[in-house]
Amino acid sequence: QQQVKQSPQSLIVQKGGISIINCAYENTAFDYFPWYQQFPGKGPALLIAIRPDVSEKKEGRFTISFNKSAKQFSLHIMDSQPGDSATYFCAASKGGYQKVTFGTGTKLQVIP
Amino acid sequence: DAGVTQSPTHLIKTRGQHVTLRCSPISGHKSVSWYQQVLGQGPQFIFQYYEKEERGRGNFPDRFSARQFPNYSSELNVNALLLGDSALYLCASSLVPDPGANVLTFGAGSRLTVL
Repeated sequence: QQQVKQSPQSLIVQKGGISIINCAYENTAFDYFPWYQQFPGKGPALLIAIRPDVSEKKEGRFTISFNKSAKQFSLHIMDSQPGDSATYFCAASKGGYQKVTFGTGTKLQVIP
Repeated sequence: DAGVTQSPTHLIKTRGQHVTLRCSPISGHKSVSWYQQVLGQGPQFIFQYYEKEERGRGNFPDRFSARQFPNYSSELNVNALLLGDSALYLCASSLVPDPGANVLTFGAGSRLTVL
């Protein structure tokens, strides 16, 4: 049962462009929505996270937009750089529970 | 300060064998979680241990087991290996179990290939 659906599977963006990755969730009990960035040969690393009482959170070039009624959230990478080329995972968890449920990942390639 | 360390980094086993993977959490972290990441997919939760007790278990068969030691390091054991067990096994540590309460820090993983 896939509780967090992520799209697109892959994304190619030119340097300086905006990268947008979308996710949808099913379980309304989720109350924490992190995004992870994974480089080849490395484990996922927390990039930015949001809780459902906030509609947007920005940290530098990275912004999460959250739509609670639609059960959707997205990651926007502004001024995308070649160093942003990685696989991005949206995820969700619910308070008091230990596991993080990950999406299937988006492989981002930023071309010069 | 050292991050989460996992060993071995790569290993090859044959079907039916047993494997033990090891994880050392960040100093001071008492919670350790294990995830399986099949190529091209997101990590899937296997286990979480906190203060040496199992706090959560994902949808994996009984061939998978784990434990946490008094120094908070952990090992994941998989018996009777199947081809489908080939994956990157990730360990993550945190101060407390709730992912929303603190940052979950992942190690680089142990890449298991089953032939």
